Amino acid sequence: TQLLEQSPQFLSIQEGENLTVYCNSSSVFSSLQWYRQEPGEGPVLLVTVVTGGEVKKLKRLTFQFGDARKDSSLHITAAQPGDTGLYLCAGLFLQGNQFYFGTGTSLTVIP
Amino acid sequence: DAGITQSPRHKVTETGTPVTLRCHQTENHRYMYWYRQDPGHGLRLIHYSYGVKDTDKGEVSDGYSVSRSKTEDFLLTLESATSSQTSVYFCAIGRGLDTLYNEQFFGPGTRLTVL
Repeated sequence: TQLLEQSPQFLSIQEGENLTVYCNSSSVFSSLQWYRQEPGEGPVLLVTVVTGGEVKKLKRLTFQFGDARKDSSLHITAAQPGDTGLYLCAGLFLQGNQFYFGTGTSLTVIP
Repeated sequence: DAGITQSPRHKVTETGTPVTLRCHQTENHRYMYWYRQDPGHGLRLIHYSYGVKDTDKGEVSDGYSVSRSKTEDFLLTLESATSSQTSVYFCAIGRGLDTLYNEQFFGPGTRLTVL
């Protein structure tokens, strides 16, 4: 059983389109992170969110943490081929001592 | 770049043989982690360390042991490799003293195949 569910699992879009990917759990997170991973490489941290309702922006990427701290979303505006990769969320649950990762959303941006 | 390397990068071994993977960091961070990544399961924590000789189990620790005799090195050992341990193994370091805010920086990975 996966503690974090990510959707969609796969996403293929044209360059210039917008997209949103989601990370959900039935439990409350203390902290949540988003990573991007390219083939043959390790994940790279994009952002950490800790406060319910928090919104963080990283250029064309917007990260939102749900008010109840059970979900998060990543929105990409005007996607570019360089955004192609596997997007992973990782959550630290209340009273937890480790981050649990979702299975990821594989994004392909077609030129 | 976080200054983290893994060796070897690729390894093929046979069932029943011992295997040791090495993670080396150059930044003197306290927390180090070993994960495995498999299709359909994402990244799963095997073991982690919060200091020299201080280690703890993660989600999928059965069949694995770790050692940390120096701050910079974290070793993962498969005592008797099985085909179910075929995977990509990632080491990570944690920047920060508090797990709540630890930001993990990953190495390039080791692809292990057990025949």
